[in-house]
Formats: sequence, C-alpha cells, structure tokens
Amino acid sequence: KQEVTQIPAALSVPEGENLVLNCSFTDSAIYNLQWFRQDPGKGLTSLLLIQSSQREQTSGRLNASLDKSSGRSTLYIAASQPGDSATYLCAVYQGGKLIFGQGTELSVKP
Amino acid sequence: EADIYQTPRYLVIGTGKKITLECSQTMGHDKMYWYQQDPGMELHLIHYSYGVNSTEKGDLSSESTVSRIRTEHFPLTLESARPSHTSQYLCASETGAANEKLFFGSGTQLSVL
Repeated sequence: KQEVTQIPAALSVPEGENLVLNCSFTDSAIYNLQWFRQDPGKGLTSLLLIQSSQREQTSGRLNASLDKSSGRSTLYIAASQPGDSATYLCAVYQGGKLIFGQGTELSVKP
Repeated sequence: EADIYQTPRYLVIGTGKKITLECSQTMGHDKMYWYQQDPGMELHLIHYSYGVNSTEKGDLSSESTVSRIRTEHFPLTLESARPSHTSQYLCASETGAANEKLFFGSGTQLSVL
C-alpha cells in the first residue's frame, strides 16, 4: 500500500531564506507527483506537477524535483516571503487516484 | 482560475439530520472526487467518479453517498449526520487526461452537534 510522508511537519523561517520541503513515498510505481498549497480553511491549489519520466519542474520561485527510484521529491522555495506561509502537500498519482501526505506547515516570519 | 464551487462553505447541524453537500464545476471535467480532511491530517479519498452514472468508493470508509447525474454536478449526501462526521469535505475535479492537474473547491466545513 502506498504511503506518502512529509518531513518536517512544521517549519518556521525568516523572510528571504531559501528552504526545502521533503516528500517520500514507498512505492515508486507512480504516474506523477503533484505539490499543492493549502491556506487555512481553504481548498488546495496545485503548484507543480512532475510526470514520472521527468526529474524536475519549475514555476517562478518554486522548483520541484523527483527521484522515483529512491521514492523522494523535494520542493525548493527561493527567497521566501510571508505570503508563502501555508501548508504544502505532496501527492502521488497511482491506480487512478491521488494519495496525499500530511503536509508541511510553513510559516515565513517578516 | 479553477471553476469548481462548493456550498455551503460552513454548516452546523444537529445529529440525525440529512444533509447534502454540493459540488459543481464548469470546466467539463469527467473525473470528480470527494476528500475528507481533519485538522492537521492528510486528505482521505471517500468517493470518486469517472463520469456520468459512475461512482466509486474511495479508500476511507464513509457513510455518505454520492451521485453523478450530470457531468458538472457531484453532490455528497449524509442520510443521518453524527458528530463523528464533523470534518472538512473537499471536492476536486480533473479532465482525466494524462498528467493533468487536479482542481479543488474551497471546501465545506461540517460540524455535527
């Protein structure tokens, strides 16, 4: 059974720092991996989608990498801003469904 | 901009009541999903649909039911709400094509007293 784990569960950084969020999964037979952002009490917004054949995707200050063989993905946020404060979730697409991790709650202090 | 809507946004209701959570999308997406999320926890898939007249149960056992009579509409019903149903319910949709992003609604926060 696929399990998705995100470390750390919470992270607090000062504004301007570069940071890395980690995601690991137990079964490498995935179709793709997505990173989402969730603001408190809201739905999720898809940030980046990496196909299983790809190694990374970039959007603005965000860069996501995928190493399928080791079951790992990272989300790199450059020059963090207070507006980046949210919960970040990764999810793997397998068997026609997305399987989510518990998320990393990020707080960027001014 | 995602065009997927959930109503109500918040619902407080007494035990035993029948409720329906609405989810509609105007993107013509075939695949739709319902997830349940407790505070600080991961999302759990409770129902999904591949298209009209298609409904499947997800990974998390749920006492709710769903229907898919129209492409754009995927309501979730609880026949008799209980306090254990208190949670956030998130609806999502996608085209079903390979490697397409999933779009989420804003969620319904349900509290059963």
